[in-house]
Amino acid sequence: QLQLQESGPRLVKPSETLSLTCTVSGGSFGGDDYYWGWIRQPPGKGLEWIGNIHHTGNTFYYNPSLRSRVTISLDTSKNQFSLSLTSVTAPDTAVYYCARHRGFYPFDYWGQGTLVTVSS
Amino acid sequence: DIQMTQSPSSVSASVGDRVTITCRASRDINSRLAWYQHKPGRAPKVLIYATSSLQSGVPSRFSGSGSGTDFTLTISSLQPEDSATYYCQQINVFPLTFGGGTKVEI
Repeated sequence: QLQLQESGPRLVKPSETLSLTCTVSGGSFGGDDYYWGWIRQPPGKGLEWIGNIHHTGNTFYYNPSLRSRVTISLDTSKNQFSLSLTSVTAPDTAVYYCARHRGFYPFDYWGQGTLVTVSS
Repeated sequence: DIQMTQSPSSVSASVGDRVTITCRASRDINSRLAWYQHKPGRAPKVLIYATSSLQSGVPSRFSGSGSGTDFTLTISSLQPEDSATYYCQQINVFPLTFGGGTKVEI
């Protein structure tokens, strides 16, 4: 059974960089047109897609509203992918999820989510 | 970007009721629409993909329909464990976009 687990600091200061890593275990990290993505949910609000990276690392897509601050990268040797969000402010406080989808199919495997708070 | 508009934003119903949630896309998404169920403290769970295909393991009381820009999620007989927020998502083009969510209360 494929499992995803987010890790990283739970508290980030304003103007600093939020960095999270998702570790994938129990299944294939590559192949079959997989995309690895990040989604977040601010407190009391809905789901927001942040971005995706293809399992080859050759293609990535970002939410236009976050594109100038977001980088998603892969480390296939460790079965991990990472999120970097720069210059954070309080509205970036959210539960951050990592997840997988394939082609035109939905996100079928998700991490449990991790709450990251932006505060001094 | 494709905007996804869900309605209603919340619904209260009784056990056994039929519940319908609608989702409208700002343009044709080639039926590449999914529905998720999201409970507090848990990861979202996919219920329906490609408008009407039931994800493995999802009870048959959940169904999806629609085409073009208008889509529907139906719970045929509401159960206590269906209390959750439901989201639609288009997977036709990047950026991927979610609807605003519908909170279903029993």
